[in-house]
Amino acid sequence: AQKVTQAQTEISVVEKEDVTLDCVYETRDTTYYLFWYKQPPSGELVFLIRRNSFDEQNEISGRYSWNFQKSTSSFNFTITASQVVDSAVYFCALSEGGYSTLTFGKGTMLLVSP
Amino acid sequence: EAGVTQFPSHSVIEKGQTVTLRCDPISGHDNLYWYRRVMGKEIKFLLHFVKESKQDESGMPNNRFLAERTGGTYSTLKVQPAELEDSGVYFCASSQDLRAGEAFFGQGTRLTVV
Repeated sequence: AQKVTQAQTEISVVEKEDVTLDCVYETRDTTYYLFWYKQPPSGELVFLIRRNSFDEQNEISGRYSWNFQKSTSSFNFTITASQVVDSAVYFCALSEGGYSTLTFGKGTMLLVSP
Repeated sequence: EAGVTQFPSHSVIEKGQTVTLRCDPISGHDNLYWYRRVMGKEIKFLLHFVKESKQDESGMPNNRFLAERTGGTYSTLKVQPAELEDSGVYFCASSQDLRAGEAFFGQGTRLTVV
């Protein structure tokens, strides 16, 4: 069965600090998809990134970067030079090949102080 | 283009009452999902519609929950009778195909059973 673990429940940083959110997953499938979603105070889940299991290239999008390592079953998310607007709950999720449902981690609450 | 819309945004009901949540997916999305997050825990899958058919309802907690998707458009999730443990945030999501892209989530309905 699939599982996603986000061991960090809450992280507090000061603006401009870099922060990494950890995500470890378990799956028996060789084909799967990994996602990160952001939940700001307004409540909706905002899609950030989707990565398939055959693409281990790291990705950078502005201040956001993702490090996918199959060897350690991790898909970590780094925010560089954090800003107050980054304060939110961040969820990592897994979708196994052939299925369309998502398995989420418990989320990491990030609080960025000015 | 309108996103996924959920109604109501908040609902407070007494134990034993009935509540109906509504989700309007993005137009053209055949896949519609219901998820639930109980306080402090992970977001858990409830069920998945493909058009008007229930593809997977393995996550439905018990028979007090009834989901419908009339004509493959909007969906409703009825809880009858509501219990205290049903409190949480109910998310709806829609997608074309998770293997091709992301699921788009609504802002959620916060249900409080007192």
